[in-house]
Amino acid sequence: DTEVTQTPKHLVMGMTNKKSLKCEQHMGHRAMYWYKQKAKKPPELMFVYSYEKLSINESVPSRFSPECPNSSLLNLHLHALQPEDSALYLCASRYTGETTEAFFGQGTRLTVV
Amino acid sequence: DQQVKQNSPSLSVQEGRISILNCDYTNSMFDYFLWYKKYPAEGPTFLISISSIKDKNEDGRFTVFLNKSAKHLSLHIVPSQPGDSAVYFCAASDPGGYNKLIFGAGTRLAVHP
Repeated sequence: DTEVTQTPKHLVMGMTNKKSLKCEQHMGHRAMYWYKQKAKKPPELMFVYSYEKLSINESVPSRFSPECPNSSLLNLHLHALQPEDSALYLCASRYTGETTEAFFGQGTRLTVV
Repeated sequence: DQQVKQNSPSLSVQEGRISILNCDYTNSMFDYFLWYKKYPAEGPTFLISISSIKDKNEDGRFTVFLNKSAKHLSLHIVPSQPGDSAVYFCAASDPGGYNKLIFGAGTRLAVHP
């Protein structure tokens, strides 16, 4: 099983809303990631969790708040987003260690109106 | 500063012929590289990887070549099929820790019947 599951698949939210994106994996991976991808651009790293601890925050605005409740789950809490935050949000996981592949979920297509 | 570069934004190939996608990197400390394939509005799918202790890795129709002295790698797809049409991303695993993956800008491959 190499599946990373993201929910919801699509999300439309207003600029005053609070919503959460969810990511789940059961491969025993201890590194989990949030990436953001805009059209025709590569995935852009937002956060890395390693052993449920936040190890990288790539200067992401505080309106994005990650959470890792356990080794299988990763959440991204959204609040007061801007229209320019509309993008495909990707979750990924991998075994720790640099010589392993990362597996991605299908993504959440977020539209901020 | 872009550490992983894919200088060809697009490539068009006839079905049955070879597709060659190129990637260059600047950090000589990178020692693990990955190729991902991505369809629109979906997450990247892992294709193949290579460690710096090797110069070639093969998996079915996909072969990755690594030239460490030139800091260059390439993905060969033989024979190319219309279903291979997608965006291909090269990525390097950051040896600085925290399990970070650094992506190139991507190359859009179109395979024509």
